[in-house]
Amino acid sequence: SAVISQKPSRDICQRGTSLTIQCQVDSQVTMMFWYRQQPGQSLTLIATANQGSEATYESGFVIDKFPISRPNLTFSTLTVSNMSPEDSSIYLCSVRTGGGKLFFGSGTQLSVL
Amino acid sequence: GENVEQHPSTLSVQEGDSAVIKCTYSDSASNYFPWYKQELGKGPQLIIDIRSNVGEKKDQRIAVTLNKTAKHFSLHITETQPEDSAVYFCAASIQGSSNTGKLIFGQGTTLQVKP
Repeated sequence: SAVISQKPSRDICQRGTSLTIQCQVDSQVTMMFWYRQQPGQSLTLIATANQGSEATYESGFVIDKFPISRPNLTFSTLTVSNMSPEDSSIYLCSVRTGGGKLFFGSGTQLSVL
Repeated sequence: GENVEQHPSTLSVQEGDSAVIKCTYSDSASNYFPWYKQELGKGPQLIIDIRSNVGEKKDQRIAVTLNKTAKHFSLHITETQPEDSAVYFCAASIQGSSNTGKLIFGQGTTLQVKP
């Protein structure tokens, strides 16, 4: 398994502002992902964070709204830009280990007023 | 693309009874099927997974079965305990050297175990 630390654990933000979420893993991993979980809903993949290159975004998500950095094999950030109340969700960092299993961080609970 | 349907959306059982959650998937190329447990305020926790080369896997009180022909898989929890109360998600993906193995999740099942 992997130990994944995610910060902040929760935040309340004003509309129009941006929030950067950090994800730190205790070991080097090739694959890191960011998911969104809207209230009472399932998990939706936002993007794959690629080390040393631009992230790969899923349909419905764009880089201008969710810029992602992946400077090395243990760290990534997700920024939620120009926030609106519709962005209120749990944002989850996840990593895939060499065995192919996917593990999640504890999530960032974001509320936008 | 892959689509995963999960049933039921809510499930209430008495402590000690068994609970079964079922999922169906659409892409016959899917070969990896994990189950996650999510407690309130926490991230999803991987509890068991199965690959398409086996039909059943068991770990203590939990087991997963896979029917590739029918494209469905199920989670079985025996001797349920109050601490089993949580939201459970199934997922499916295609894992191989040429793809990222993106997980597609079911809608989730809220399990309540009554003492």
